[in-house]
Amino acid sequence: SQQGEEDPQALSIQEGENATMNCSYKTSINNLQWYRQNSGRGLVHLILIRSNEREKHSGRLRVTLDTSKKSSSLLITASRAADTASYFCATDLYSGGGADGLTFGKGTHLIIQP
Amino acid sequence: EPEVTQTPSHQVTQMGQEVILRCVPISNHLYFYWYRQILGQKVEFLVSFYNNEISEKSEIFDDQFSVERPDGSNFTLKIRSTKLEDSAMYFCAYGRGTNQPQHFGDGTRLSIL
Repeated sequence: SQQGEEDPQALSIQEGENATMNCSYKTSINNLQWYRQNSGRGLVHLILIRSNEREKHSGRLRVTLDTSKKSSSLLITASRAADTASYFCATDLYSGGGADGLTFGKGTHLIIQP
Repeated sequence: EPEVTQTPSHQVTQMGQEVILRCVPISNHLYFYWYRQILGQKVEFLVSFYNNEISEKSEIFDDQFSVERPDGSNFTLKIRSTKLEDSAMYFCAYGRGTNQPQHFGDGTRLSIL
């Protein structure tokens, strides 16, 4: 797989249920970030987890990072119709310059059924 | 609302023509980025810009591409001689350095005919 691959590619759940998306990567990272993209819009930053962190929370979002398995998961609890979007993980490989480009996965398309 | 404004929102250009895509950050930031997203594909990094210089660039960012910040405010991406495969959404982003999130504009949809 390539750097930053999410699964599943698509996920459809009922409103109120929890949604879990996974991301795997291949090389060492400095940090891993999750973004949301609504159709036709730009990416919105959700959460950043550093390589020395294992879990992070933000509101209804919970992100885990397992550097030994090179994987991360994004959990959205108590989903709402407004959570319908594509979700991407992105890795920062850290070249040391500070202006590091992110490597994105193909994303998980999440549909919340009302 | 995004903290960077991209113009135009949609650009239609004949193959071989030059295009300039613009990005105007609301606040004064040091780190800028351009990404592109071909329809149905993943977002791809093109180039990063720091202190008025290119900091990092990907294999996609070849000689037909250039970036500059001509007046200390606008941040531009120029594609010199467009090809059909340049059709994509182009996103500008800004950041505050290592271990900081990047904030994206809503993009410019570039259509090459």
